[in-house]
Amino acid sequence: NAGVMQNPRHLVRRRGQEARLRCSPMKGHSHVYWYRQLPEEGLKFMVYLQKENIIDESGMPKERFSAEFPKEGPSILRIQQVVRGDSAAYFCASSRPGTVGNTIYFGEGSWLTVV
Amino acid sequence: AQSVSQHNHHVILSEAASLELGCNYSYGGTVNLFWYVQYPGQHLQLLLKYFSGDPLVKGIKGFEAEFIKSKFSFNLRKPSVQWSDTAEYFCAGGSTSGTYKYIFGTGTRLKVLA
Repeated sequence: NAGVMQNPRHLVRRRGQEARLRCSPMKGHSHVYWYRQLPEEGLKFMVYLQKENIIDESGMPKERFSAEFPKEGPSILRIQQVVRGDSAAYFCASSRPGTVGNTIYFGEGSWLTVV
Repeated sequence: AQSVSQHNHHVILSEAASLELGCNYSYGGTVNLFWYVQYPGQHLQLLLKYFSGDPLVKGIKGFEAEFIKSKFSFNLRKPSVQWSDTAEYFCAGGSTSGTYKYIFGTGTRLKVLA
């Protein structure tokens, strides 16, 4: 029973390039969440998506960041024109639909380094 | 404002010592509380969670936590740590109406000396 799958695990980008991080939720899970962990900080909520819908993006930076969860395929977190401050670990999580209070399960994270 | 705070940023213990990591929360309503562990280079793993009922929650790997509403605390405990418990521990909270928007503490790095 595969868990939340994220790739790439490590990504290096030069300033100004684009970064794409992918997340496949656990089987049976249709809710996806993205969190960011900056060095020496806790995880910060970024966005909550269901298939083809962004439910809550209140934690997303206003510019350069976008997320999608298409009908088919993984969820994608896209960062355009990356800057050094985007260097962080990006964690995806998923949960089942339905009951409030469902536990969310995290993937192994994608570490982005901007040089 | 909602918040979760962990006061111990780094803890060093010898094997067999007892562990208690502090976690305090500030939430307007009913809250769900969690402890996660992150081993080096790995994903977050759920240790235990509290939604309601018995305030003493047993988790995996011998960990437990006690929800004390009057103190707004949810401290993590283990009576005897092992070298393999070396990891970073995160407390998190979510309101019962929107648990996806977890608020995480800044984490506590535990190092257990063999």
